[in-house]
Amino acid sequence: GAVVSQHPSWVICKSGTSVKIECRSLDFQATTMFWYRQFPKQSLMLMATSNEGSKATYEQGVEKDKFLINHASLTLSTLTVTSAHPEDSSFYICSASPGTSGSVGQETQYFGPGTRLLVL
Amino acid sequence: AQSVTQPDIHITVSEGASLELRCNYSYGATPYLFWYVQSPGQGLQLLLKYFSGDTLVQGIKGFEAEFKRSQSSFNLRKPSVHWSDAAEYFCAVSFISYKLSFGAGTTVTVRA
Repeated sequence: GAVVSQHPSWVICKSGTSVKIECRSLDFQATTMFWYRQFPKQSLMLMATSNEGSKATYEQGVEKDKFLINHASLTLSTLTVTSAHPEDSSFYICSASPGTSGSVGQETQYFGPGTRLLVL
Repeated sequence: AQSVTQPDIHITVSEGASLELRCNYSYGATPYLFWYVQSPGQGLQLLLKYFSGDTLVQGIKGFEAEFKRSQSSFNLRKPSVHWSDAAEYFCAVSFISYKLSFGAGTTVTVRA
């Protein structure tokens, strides 16, 4: 149980184009979803947190207009990298929480396999 | 400042030998503590977590971790590693919110 999928697993695009990445919770409803960015040999950096039906909360330094997040349902969140540039090339990972623990700090996040983006 | 530290960037261990990965945190109070493993090119898998109670926590794949409040540590151990344990290991904490803060990670290499 608690499986999270991401699509696509990798994408190559030209500079200036937009790329959409999907994150789905396959066997549970995710009240909260998270988007992370990971550079090679580095840790995960939280980009934003989204709750179904609400606007995403972005971390400091993350451009809201650059990284559009939509959490339209309890099983799907999307991250759109708009007007992508080579510096946006990275490994993007989403995670999802079922929100059943009763204490937000104790919520387990289930991670997707990641999407590798290469912008040429 | 609040932080999570994994002092060891890279550890090499022989197959069958024991493994210990260190994690220290710096917070005003005891946070919730997690260990995740990431295989190459993949997402993270939760190994174990500590919220309260027994300070020795058992996880999946034969891993365990011990919380030591006096040392602000949550070290991960495995008595006998397998070649499949080669991966990147991340310690993470959350506090009053669901935001996870990750350590820099420790790369584990297993030699035959």
